[in-house]
Amino acid sequence: GAGVSQTPSNKVTEKGKYVELRCDPISGHTALYWYRQSLGQGPEFLIYFQGTGAADDSGLPNDRFFAVRPEGSVSTLKIQRTERGDSAVYLCASGVNTQYFGPGTRLTVL
Amino acid sequence: GNSVTQMEGPVTLSEEAFLTINCTYTATGYPSLFWYVQYPGEGLQLLLKATKADDKGSNKGFEATYRKETTSFHLEKGSVQVSDSAVYFCALLGSRGGSEKLVFGKGTKLTVNP
Repeated sequence: GAGVSQTPSNKVTEKGKYVELRCDPISGHTALYWYRQSLGQGPEFLIYFQGTGAADDSGLPNDRFFAVRPEGSVSTLKIQRTERGDSAVYLCASGVNTQYFGPGTRLTVL
Repeated sequence: GNSVTQMEGPVTLSEEAFLTINCTYTATGYPSLFWYVQYPGEGLQLLLKATKADDKGSNKGFEATYRKETTSFHLEKGSVQVSDSAVYFCALLGSRGGSEKLVFGKGTKLTVNP
């Protein structure tokens, strides 16, 4: 079956712009996670959804970051007023006892 | 809070050499432990996992044993291949009722030369 998919695979934007990153989880998975991976580091947790609701958003770095999952499947991570420090690979995963990762979106803020 | 410490790389080996990548953790309760692998240009893939003490996870010739007494989950392979060149991440998932987020180590880059 299909795995986790993420779009776009690459996103280049300018400082101050707004971006949206999309995640399509494995069909039927109610749990969905966003992580951020900076160069040379392990992924760091951002937010966890159970169904439509954010069960844990403690990893969001500030209020410029927001994520939604309105119908309990696809999720969108939204970043306002992007900064150069937001440049990273944004990873999405789904699953409960084992998390399966998508290929990531590489975000570059110029 | 929960944390994972893994051996810093890079690690360079010759083909057929023995591999160990050390991983230790700090956690409350009874976490599950994972090794993920990231091949060049690809996403994170689950390599193996163990959910309770003394469990051994294995896959593709790799093994790791969940040692609660030493809070460790070291990754081993008896004979590495060039195709094993990748970055390896040790990770922890908190026990049920706690946080559902994975906590990762910083990763260990392995290069295997022919």
